Amino acid sequence: NAGVMQNPRHLVRRRGQEARLRCSPMKGHSHVYWYRQLPEEGLKFMVYLQKENIIDESGMPKERFSAEFPKEGPSILRIQQVVRGDSAAYFCASSRLRQGGETQYFGPGTRLLVL
Amino acid sequence: DQQVKQNSPSLSVQEGRISILNCDYTNSMFDYFLWYKKYPAEGPTFLISISSIKDKNEDGRFTVFLNKSAKHLSLHIVPSQPGDSAVYFCAASGRIGRDDKIIFGKGTRLHILP
Repeated sequence: NAGVMQNPRHLVRRRGQEARLRCSPMKGHSHVYWYRQLPEEGLKFMVYLQKENIIDESGMPKERFSAEFPKEGPSILRIQQVVRGDSAAYFCASSRLRQGGETQYFGPGTRLLVL
Repeated sequence: DQQVKQNSPSLSVQEGRISILNCDYTNSMFDYFLWYKKYPAEGPTFLISISSIKDKNEDGRFTVFLNKSAKHLSLHIVPSQPGDSAVYFCAASGRIGRDDKIIFGKGTRLHILP
């Protein structure tokens, strides 16, 4: 009865490096969402994906950030050339059906620290 | 443009008393509302939800009330217990523009006092 899995739980990067965050949805869930939480802030939606498709990326920064959810394997949130302002907790959530009227279940998050 | 607002950043309640957390929303297209609870260093955990066709949903010590005309919902926890100390996020879901969206509030930190 595994829930949403995220790894790594903690990630330290130096400015200019790449960060790769992984998310495996709950069994039977084919919809994945990524959120970012900055200190003292709420959860900010970044991107919504189904297998092999980006459905809504309206919350993603235009540069350096990308996401994918391949046919096989976990969803990946990739941040290229990280900057200090990228330091945050990144949460992945999954749902059985698309997001309207459907409960999303969250993973434990990846805490990214950029030095 | 904050579509989901939790105006109290924090709330302290005596153990055993009722905790009431409030949430306001601006978009009448929202039709499904959720509350999540979050402990430090963990992901948010789903607590309770309510559809816009209802005005109340109860699950054990947790009750969510929805007032559509006021665009307001509240979470009642009674009796409050020490383990309820956490950050509570309100979320609203619905078709906004072309897509279904879920929008989270900034959270309310609940402290249960012994």
